[in-house]
Amino acid sequence: SQKIEQNSEALNIQEGKTATLTCNYTNYSPAYLQWYRQDPGRGPVFLLLIRENEKEKRKERLKVTFDTTLKQSLFHITASQPADSATYLCAPQGGNNRLAFGKGIQVVVIP
Amino acid sequence: DAGITQSPRHKVTETGTPVTLRCHQTENHRYMYWYRQDPGHGLRLIHYSYGVKDTDKGEVSDGYSVSRSKTEDFLLTLESATSSQTSVYFCAITQREAEGEQFFGPGTRLTVL
Repeated sequence: SQKIEQNSEALNIQEGKTATLTCNYTNYSPAYLQWYRQDPGRGPVFLLLIRENEKEKRKERLKVTFDTTLKQSLFHITASQPADSATYLCAPQGGNNRLAFGKGIQVVVIP
Repeated sequence: DAGITQSPRHKVTETGTPVTLRCHQTENHRYMYWYRQDPGHGLRLIHYSYGVKDTDKGEVSDGYSVSRSKTEDFLLTLESATSSQTSVYFCAITQREAEGEQFFGPGTRLTVL
C-alpha cells in the first residue's frame, strides 16, 4: 500500500542550528513533491516544490532535496529561529495527479 | 491571503443531522478540494472539483457529498453526520492541477455528538 512516513517524533532544536526533516514514501512515483508549513489552528501554507529531475531546491533559509532512488525528500531549515516552530508537511504527487500528504512533523525551535 | 474563506468556522451538531460546510474563493481558481485532518492522519482528500458541476471522489468520500454550482463556491455536505466525522475540515484551491501549489482556507472544526 502507499505510505508516506515523516519522523514521528517532534524535533526540538536549538535556535541557530539546522533542522533536518525526513520524508520517506513507498509505492509512489511522484514527478514532484511539495512541502507545507502548518501553524496550530490554521491551514497549511505552501513552502516549496521540487521536481524529480531536481536534486535540490532553495528558498531563503529553506533547502529541499529529492532522491527518487531512495524515495526520500529531506527538508532543511538553516539558522533556525523560534518563528520556524510549526508542523511541516510533506506532500508527494499521488494518484491521478493529486497530492498525498504525510502526517507532518512538529518542529520546536528553542531560544 | 489567497482569498479563501470557510463557513462556519466551528460547529457542534448531533448524530444524524445534516451538515453543510461552505468554501468560498475570490481568486477564480479552477480546482477546489475538501480535506479532513485528524490526529494520527495526514490531510485526507474527501472530494475535489475541477470546474463548475465537475466533481470527483477522494480517498475518504463515504458519507460526504459535494456540489459546485458556481466557480467561487464548493459545498461539502454530510447527509447524516456521525461521530466519526468529527474532524477539522480544510478547503483548498489551486490554479493548476499539476504541480500547482494549494492555498488552504482557515478550516472548520466540526464536532458531532
